[in-house]
Amino acid sequence: QSVLTQPPSVSAAPGQNITISCSGSSSNIGSYYVSWYQQLPGTAPKLLIYDNIKRPSGIPDRFSGSRSGTSATLAITGLQPGDEGDYFCGTWDTSLSAVFGGGTKLTVL
Amino acid sequence: EVQLVESGGGVVQPGGSLRLSCVASGFTFSGYWMSWVRQSPGKGLEWVANIKLDGSEKYYADSVKGRFTISRDNAKNSLYLQMNSLRPEDTAVYYCARNPAETEFDYWGQGTLVTVSS
Repeated sequence: QSVLTQPPSVSAAPGQNITISCSGSSSNIGSYYVSWYQQLPGTAPKLLIYDNIKRPSGIPDRFSGSRSGTSATLAITGLQPGDEGDYFCGTWDTSLSAVFGGGTKLTVL
Repeated sequence: EVQLVESGGGVVQPGGSLRLSCVASGFTFSGYWMSWVRQSPGKGLEWVANIKLDGSEKYYADSVKGRFTISRDNAKNSLYLQMNSLRPEDTAVYYCARNPAETEFDYWGQGTLVTVSS
């Protein structure tokens, strides 16, 4: 059971917009920045969002992040077939460990 | 170009040991915290351990504390994970990842598979 809670799956048609939630507590999301990772089938995770809202170089602005209190959200606009994969949130915890969500499987219909 | 290349995975019996390695290139290795993160087949990500720039601080997940040891050799641009007393639940792909901050893993290796089975 993961420390951070994400919905197991989300699906939408190409061109539509989706959001993925990540719920934690005051000891993790409430105290530290949140990052988001994309894992396409058969590949290693890739950093999508860091410091709650920032995008690394090369990540399109279709991907955006936000945080409010002890929850964070990843938004993807204009869904593309190539976005299909797993998405994970992550942060640090006051127990001196990094923590992740269980992952959300995005299906582009 | 930042590259992280893991090696050392394989099949090991319960109670056995294995040492993973990760060779880094394309950045100043000694300037970054580094981590190991694992992913069991079909499951989510689990952070395993991290290590400070000079190796003076190390942190571990409760699930591996006392069994796994993270280390680094900055002269060889290498990160290691010594895994002892392995259990079937340690079966996973192990990723080496760069840690610019405790909340962020900005580059990942391709992973190396560890299978613990009799």
